[in-house]
Amino acid sequence: AQTVTQSQPEMSVQEAETVTLSCTYDTSESDYYLFWYKQPPSRQMILVIRQEAYKQQNATENRFSVNFQKAAKSFSLKISDSQLGDAAMYFCAYRSVSGGYQKVTFGTGTKLQVIP
Amino acid sequence: ETGVTQTPRHLVMGMTNKKSLKCEQHLGHNAMYWYKQSAKKPLELMFVYSLEERVENNSVPSRFSPECPNSSHLFLHLHTLQPEDSALYLCASSPETGGGTEAFFGQGTRLTVV
Repeated sequence: AQTVTQSQPEMSVQEAETVTLSCTYDTSESDYYLFWYKQPPSRQMILVIRQEAYKQQNATENRFSVNFQKAAKSFSLKISDSQLGDAAMYFCAYRSVSGGYQKVTFGTGTKLQVIP
Repeated sequence: ETGVTQTPRHLVMGMTNKKSLKCEQHLGHNAMYWYKQSAKKPLELMFVYSLEERVENNSVPSRFSPECPNSSHLFLHLHTLQPEDSALYLCASSPETGGGTEAFFGQGTRLTVV
């Protein structure tokens, strides 16, 4: 079974600075997807960024980028130019390629505080 | 506006009550999910419905009973719950096909069992 580990329960960053959230995972599969979800106080989980394991290039979405290290099974999220609206819980998630529906494994989350 | 709507947003119920959580999506997705989110624990997948058939039940106690009458609606019927069942219950939906598509989540129902 796959596991996802987020070792940082809480992080803080000054507004406009950069912060990196860590995620490691364990799997025996060679092909899979990785996601970062954001859960603001409104509680709705929103997809921030996704990465296909077969792609070597790191995914980027505006101020959000990942550092995907497949051999190390590491998938960190970098938030540049942090904004107050980035304050939320961030969940790292793993999804197997097989299966039509999504069997997704989530980490325990990292609470990000943005300091004005 | 979210593509997945959950009602109610908050629910307080006694251990002898019967209540239902409702989830609705109009995204054209064929798969729907119930997750339980407890503090400091990973999201726990409870049930998966694909094309209105339950395809996964992750050892959830029988006091939780899901129902999927059509591909747009999902219910979670609750009866004789325990205080440890207090949590945020999230509904999600996704396209049936695989690929890198993500699940879309509702805003959850905050359940408190007293």
